[in-house]
Amino acid sequence: AQSVTQLGSHVSVSEGALVLLRCNYSSSVPPYLFWYVQYPNQGLQLLLKYTSAATLVKGINGFEAEFKKSETSFHLTKPSAHMSDAAEYFCAVSLNRDDKIIFGKGTRLHILP
Amino acid sequence: DVKVTQSSRYLVKRTGEKVFLECVQDMDHENMFWYRQDPGLGLRLIYFSYDVKMKEKGDIPEGYSVSREKKERFSLILESASTNQTSMYLCASSLQSSEQYFGPGTRLTVT
Repeated sequence: AQSVTQLGSHVSVSEGALVLLRCNYSSSVPPYLFWYVQYPNQGLQLLLKYTSAATLVKGINGFEAEFKKSETSFHLTKPSAHMSDAAEYFCAVSLNRDDKIIFGKGTRLHILP
Repeated sequence: DVKVTQSSRYLVKRTGEKVFLECVQDMDHENMFWYRQDPGLGLRLIYFSYDVKMKEKGDIPEGYSVSREKKERFSLILESASTNQTSMYLCASSLQSSEQYFGPGTRLTVT
């Protein structure tokens, strides 16, 4: 069965510092992988997705993620954090077979001034 | 842009009431989903639908039902609301084999 683990329910970084949010997945077949962001009192918005093309995926707002099959990871990074990045981030996996997406429990990103 | 709308942003209901949560998407998507979101538990799938009049149980269907009479509309029904159904409810839609697009959510409080 497929699953997603996000390491750290809360992560704090200083404004201007590197953002790294960790995600590991388990899947018996090559997966589709996603990162979503949720701002306060809003729904989820797609940041980026991996669909077996390039392993380094660039998304919106300066975020990117790298698919590493050997490590079963899909970590999200941004070189320089901005106050507006404060939100909750969800990693998700899909096998495409039935279009369901399995979400991780989320990581809340706090930006320190 | 894909737009997914939900009928209410905030809703307060009493225990035992029948509650309808409506979701409408405007991009002719085949798939629609209902999730609930609770702190520390992430998103949990309640029900989903691949086509009109079709429905499939998700991970936590107990206490809920759904209706999809038209392709663009997917309704979540709480037959008899209970306090443990107080939560944020999120609707999403997608094309086949593609990412999901989410509505803004309905924060339901059952007292």
